[in-house]
This record gives sequence, C-alpha cells and structure tokens, in this order.
Amino acid sequence: DGGITQSPKYLFRKEGQNVTLSCEQNLNHDAMYWYRQDPGQGLRLIYYSQIVNDFQKGDIAEGYSVSREKKESFPLTVTSAQKNPTAFYLCASSERQGVSSYNEQFFGPGTRLTVL
Amino acid sequence: QKEVEQNSGPLSVPEGAIASLNCTYSDRVSQSFFWYRQYSGKSPELIMSIYSNGDKEDGRFTAQLNKASQYVSLLIRDSQPSDSATYLCAVIPMDTGRRALTFGSGTRLQVQP
Repeated sequence: DGGITQSPKYLFRKEGQNVTLSCEQNLNHDAMYWYRQDPGQGLRLIYYSQIVNDFQKGDIAEGYSVSREKKESFPLTVTSAQKNPTAFYLCASSERQGVSSYNEQFFGPGTRLTVL
Repeated sequence: QKEVEQNSGPLSVPEGAIASLNCTYSDRVSQSFFWYRQYSGKSPELIMSIYSNGDKEDGRFTAQLNKASQYVSLLIRDSQPSDSATYLCAVIPMDTGRRALTFGSGTRLQVQP
C-alpha cells in the first residue's frame, strides 16, 4: 500500500519545547516538502529537498529544521525559536523536479500541532 | 501583489449547476498549474494539472489555462454536495528557480442540495 505517512496525527507542545514531526513515503520519490497551513490560509513552504542529503529553505524556514538522511524520510523539527507554531503541518513528495518540467506533488494526511 | 490569487468565497451553487473557480498568478513564465481539493480538516488532494493553453477535461472537471492573461480556472459540471470543499490553485514560480509549489489561499465552494 503505497503512500505518504505522517505521525503523530495530533501533537501538543509546551512553550519552549522542540518537537519532531515524522514524514515517511514509500513511493520512491526523490523530492519531499514541508508546508504549514494556518486556518483559512493557503499552504506556505517551510523546507524542501530534491535529493538525499540536500535541502533548501522555503518562505518560512525560521524556527524550523529538517534532515534528509534517507530517501523515504524527511522529518521536521519545530524548535522553541518558532514563535507561533500552532498550525496544520503537511508533508508532500514528488518525482524529482526537472529544469523545465514539473512533477505532480502528493500530500500526506498532516499533523496538527498545538502549543499549550 | 500575491503570487497566486483566489477569491476566498464562499462560492455557493445549487446541486447540478456548474461551479467556476478562478485563479490568477503573477509570474509570467510559470509553466505548470495545479488544482487541489481540500475537505475540512483533511490534506489537499490533487484533482487536475494543466501545462498548456486551452482546456483539459477529466470527468466532471475542466481546467482552463490562459497564459497570456495569467489566468487558470476550474469548472465543475453537475456539482454535487460532495464537491463542497476548499479548492486550492498552485503554480510553480519559474522566476525564482524554486522547485516547489506556491499556493493561493483557496476558494471555499458550497453546493446546496
């Protein structure tokens, strides 16, 4: 059963804590992405990775960190430096993007993070 | 100016009618455009992609692209209550070289039974 899994589904964090959100895919996709969605808003890009051991900052990378040690995994850490982390976090994957072409991107089910 | 703009809605249509969702984008060289459907509390689901000017049909859905006007639309024929969701338009911003999607804020569609 191929797809993208994210865990946990719900996560509660105390002020000052770091938390790590898991994202795993078995689609053999090279590229993976993290987005954040706030209520009534579109998705904003946090980080993305086109290949193992390489990743790029998106529009709102401050207060977040990622790693890409394995092709199938792209965990996101929300650090205490992120001032307003309560949001819906979405992981996505796709085939590696070409210079002049774009491959469709598919999403996992998301993790809803709440800061207490 | 936002890179991708959508009317937030809600757009309300009666069951069986055609729903027309619109999106404009600022990057003149964008080549790839996508429509996602997102039900409340769920993750986005890809429903259409379009790369060339003109229309692309898939079942009850038709995507229309006009690169000269920097405009992409989604038509839903024979709208059903199950189509009630938020529809997100997404483009890849070729002018930045970033290989990731930029999303609009979405249009909420309500199909009235």
